[in-house]
Amino acid sequence: TQLLEQSPQFLSIQEGENLTVYCNSSSVFSSLQWYRQEPGEGPVLLVTVVTGGEVKKLKRLTFQFGDARKDSSLHITAAQPGDTGLYLCAGARGSQGNLIFGKGTKLSVKP
Amino acid sequence: DSGVTQTPKHLITATGQRVTLRCSPRSGDLSVYWYQQSLDQGLQFLIQYYNGEERAKGNILERFSAQQFPDLHSELNLSSLELGDSALYFCASSAKSTSGDEQFFGPGTRLTVL
Repeated sequence: TQLLEQSPQFLSIQEGENLTVYCNSSSVFSSLQWYRQEPGEGPVLLVTVVTGGEVKKLKRLTFQFGDARKDSSLHITAAQPGDTGLYLCAGARGSQGNLIFGKGTKLSVKP
Repeated sequence: DSGVTQTPKHLITATGQRVTLRCSPRSGDLSVYWYQQSLDQGLQFLIQYYNGEERAKGNILERFSAQQFPDLHSELNLSSLELGDSALYFCASSAKSTSGDEQFFGPGTRLTVL
């Protein structure tokens, strides 16, 4: 059983479209991080959220941490081909620093 | 560039062999984490070191071990290798060891066991 479920697994859209990726769990996380990973490379940190209900914006990307700190979402506005990649959410539990990862959403943005 | 370095980039070896993967954390970071990424399991936490001491263990096999040296670089040792150990191995570092502390990943080592 995956502790962090991401949906959808795959997403193929046209340039300019909006999209939302979800990260859900039945467990509470003390913090949650979103990463983007390209093939053969390491994950690159996009954002960290720690407070329930928190919303963070990074240019066209909007991240939200659920009020109960069990879920999160990533919304991309006007997607571009450069947004293509594997989006991973990862949570930390309690005071532990190690991360539990979801399996990711593979996004493809076609020009 | 995250500032975390890993060597080698690629490693091809045979079943039963032993290999060592190396990681240098970002300057000033005290924590090093090791993760394994396979197609079916995704990214799985293996082990964490903080300032030279083991801090947390995840899904690490007994055939695997790690250590962090006084200069804070870390090595992951994989022995009696099996075909199923083929995966990407990532090292990440963070300044401290607490939840919410941002982790920065290295480029990874791709291990292929034949």
